Amino acid sequence: GQNIDQPTEMTATEGAIVQINCTYQTSGFNGLFWYQQHAGEAPTFLSYNVLDGLEEKGRFSSFLSRSKGYSYLLLKELQMKDSASYLCAAMDSNYQLIWGAGTKLIIKP
Amino acid sequence: GAVVSQHPSRVICKSGTSVKIECRSLDFQATTMFWYRQFPKQSLMLMATSNEGSKATYEQGVEKDKFLINHASLTLSTLTVTSAHPEDSSFYICSAVNRELSYNEQFFGPGTRLTVL
Repeated sequence: GQNIDQPTEMTATEGAIVQINCTYQTSGFNGLFWYQQHAGEAPTFLSYNVLDGLEEKGRFSSFLSRSKGYSYLLLKELQMKDSASYLCAAMDSNYQLIWGAGTKLIIKP
Repeated sequence: GAVVSQHPSRVICKSGTSVKIECRSLDFQATTMFWYRQFPKQSLMLMATSNEGSKATYEQGVEKDKFLINHASLTLSTLTVTSAHPEDSSFYICSAVNRELSYNEQFFGPGTRLTVL
């Protein structure tokens, strides 16, 4: 079956760094997406990885290891506005997104 | 950019009535649109995949006669919740794929919060 696993909740301190892990199992693979979702709002795109390695985009970076079925989202210099749910989604061979349950990130001052 | 709009953003209706939600891609043509439902503190649940000019493909457990999807043009898909009941209250989100992009990114609409009394 197809499955995405990510932690339910994480807590971090403002100004610090946090890494949110995601493991996936899909029928075929066409990339791994990370989305940010604030409460009551729709998801917004953060990153896309299809090749192994690290993609850096400002304070956010995303890593992929296809052989391990593993990805992480790295958030640096955390700000209070980063408090949100972070959704990991893998695209299968039919180009459908298989969604994780999301990781609620709580930022403390 | 790739902007997707949804209308209405919020709707409250009585049990037994039907509600139509529109999803529009504003600056690109979307051959494929997706409809999701999200209950509080849960992840997105794909309801159906909508392809322009053809019947929608529904996920297992989603009643196609209750959730009518029409994708009549490359920029518009509609979801009609027929005979809505309180258990249909949820956050409904559409997304659209811009096939001109190489990696099939889904662009999300802002969502529609449906409350059935």
